[in-house]
Amino acid sequence: AQKITQTQPGMFVQEKEAVTLDCTYDTSDPSYGLFWYKQPSSGEMIFLIYQGSYDQQNATEGRYSLNFQKARKSANLVISASQLGDSAMYFCAMRDYTDKLIFGTGTRLQVFP
Amino acid sequence: DSGVTQTPKHLITATGQRVTLRCSPRSGDLSVYWYQQSLDQGLQFLIQYYNGEERAKGNILERFSAQQFPDLHSELNLSSLELGDSALYFCASSGTGTGVYSPLHFGNGTRLTVT
Repeated sequence: AQKITQTQPGMFVQEKEAVTLDCTYDTSDPSYGLFWYKQPSSGEMIFLIYQGSYDQQNATEGRYSLNFQKARKSANLVISASQLGDSAMYFCAMRDYTDKLIFGTGTRLQVFP
Repeated sequence: DSGVTQTPKHLITATGQRVTLRCSPRSGDLSVYWYQQSLDQGLQFLIQYYNGEERAKGNILERFSAQQFPDLHSELNLSSLELGDSALYFCASSGTGTGVYSPLHFGNGTRLTVT
């Protein structure tokens, strides 16, 4: 069965430091996409970055990168040079042959000065 | 701005009532998804429509129903509301381009409070 696991309920990071948010997944489908979303306190869901199951290189989008380790079924989000505005909930999600997106339980990131 | 529009932003109603949530997908997107986000259940997939037809069902209660109209906007109907239905309801859309490698784009959500 498809499953996304985020084991860190909360993370703290100092401004300008890098932080890694963990995500593991499970699916029997060889074709899938992995996504990260940010949910600020205002509530909207903001798409950040994605990785396809056949992609050879890790995805990057500005300060966000996705550390994709297929054999370990992990897709960790790395945020470099954290900013105060990065404080939010972060969700890892997967889309496979079922077409829908399934989400992990999220990690609350707090960036302090 | 994701391009997905949800109305209303907030809804406060009483138990036993019925409400309708509306969603306009991004221009050109044929698929619409509804999700419920509550504190105890997290983000739960409710239902998906593709070009007017129901494509997949998730954890949607029988008291809830949805439809997608010819102009591709979608409505989620919630009836006989209970306190536990209080949640943030999201609509999302996606195109037909790259399948599983395409992200879903979310609206800002409708926050439903049942009193």
